[in-house]
Amino acid sequence: AQSVTQLGSHVSVSEGALVLLRCNYSSSVPPYLFWYVQYPNQGLQLLLKYTTGATLVKGINGFEAEFKKSETSFHLTKPSAHMSDAAEYFCAVTPREYGNKLVFGAGTILRVKS
Amino acid sequence: ETGVTQSPTHLIKTRGQQVTLRCSSQSGHNTVSWYQQALGQGPQFIFQYYREEENGRGNFPPRFSGLQFPNYSSELNVNALELDDSALYLCASSFLGGLGEQFFGPGTRLTVL
Repeated sequence: AQSVTQLGSHVSVSEGALVLLRCNYSSSVPPYLFWYVQYPNQGLQLLLKYTTGATLVKGINGFEAEFKKSETSFHLTKPSAHMSDAAEYFCAVTPREYGNKLVFGAGTILRVKS
Repeated sequence: ETGVTQSPTHLIKTRGQQVTLRCSSQSGHNTVSWYQQALGQGPQFIFQYYREEENGRGNFPPRFSGLQFPNYSSELNVNALELDDSALYLCASSFLGGLGEQFFGPGTRLTVL
């Protein structure tokens, strides 16, 4: 069974600093990979996704992630944090042979300090 | 384009009762998935419906059941509610055969007392 591990349940950065949220997955075949953001009392919004092709993918709000097959990782980064980035971030995977069933990590809460 | 909507927003029930949650899919989507998100955890896959049939199920007991209607809207039914059923229930719509991307509704917060 596939699983997703997000290192660090809480990450705190200063405004303007680099954001790095870590995600590792376990799968014998590279799955489709996603990052979602959840603001308080809201549903999930897709930030970006990797399905095939270029391993560096760009998403909304200045976020990007790099798929590294050798490391089974899909870390999320943003060069400069903004106060509005404070939210909970979820990494998720879905197997290529059975689309649409997402397996989520436990989430990382990002705090941005002024 | 109308996004995914869910109703109600909040719900309070007592242990042993039954509850029905509703979801309207995004236009053009033919698949609905339901997820349970307990406090402080990531969403857990409950089941998925495609063409009004269950198309995959997670590790949830049979008292969790669902329906999908011809207009692709969906219901999640939970019988014999337990305290641990308290959670945010998320509905997501997608197009089967696509690349796995799902679009989520705002969720229904269920509290079981």
